[in-house]
Amino acid sequence: DSGVTQTPKHLITATGQRVTLRCSPRSGDLSVYWYQQSLDQGLQFLIQYYNGEERAKGNILERFSAQQFPDLHSELNLSSLELGDSALYFCASSVAHEQFFGPGTRLTVL
Amino acid sequence: QQQVKQSPQSLIVQKGGIPIINCAYENTAFDYFPWYQQFPGKGPALLIAIRPDVSEKKEGRFTISFNKSAKQFSLHIMDSQPGDSATYFCAAGLMYSGGGADGLTFGKGTHLIIQP
Repeated sequence: DSGVTQTPKHLITATGQRVTLRCSPRSGDLSVYWYQQSLDQGLQFLIQYYNGEERAKGNILERFSAQQFPDLHSELNLSSLELGDSALYFCASSVAHEQFFGPGTRLTVL
Repeated sequence: QQQVKQSPQSLIVQKGGIPIINCAYENTAFDYFPWYQQFPGKGPALLIAIRPDVSEKKEGRFTISFNKSAKQFSLHIMDSQPGDSATYFCAAGLMYSGGGADGLTFGKGTHLIIQP
């Protein structure tokens, strides 16, 4: 158990809808990263937040957004969902450079 | 553009053998190279990591070899066990000067099976 928690574990929704994924980092970790894992694209970095501020952006679509709250938990918002957004979404947290991953949220878009 | 290339895609090794997984990177600015292990239904778990100023690092049965001039690094698993059967990912990243690191760039993964 990495100490990173993610909810929900599974999410099934329809095309065009909007969902919110939640992540609680390990105690004391200020950085949160979001990754998408799919069969065709593999594990891809989406976005990083550090102590409430956006720090780095990867391959994140404009339909996706994230934020980190004062208690350091983070949310990833996915809107106008498409079939191709079906994937595992992981968050990771770190206090230094080592990133520890949560168990993931499996998103299915029907 | 795939910045980290990983091979092989899959690997079957007998128990006690030494599976070797290779990765090559393109961006010479990368200065942090971790390996992750992922079991089905679980998140990736950090296994071992290396910085480019070191050519080899061992932690238990896991060894990373690093060749900076060739821009390649590899994972060796000594005395492999059936419990090591998992998907292994190499990754590369940039460390910030003040601490912390950028998001990681991952290889496509190697599905490893250790046969009893």
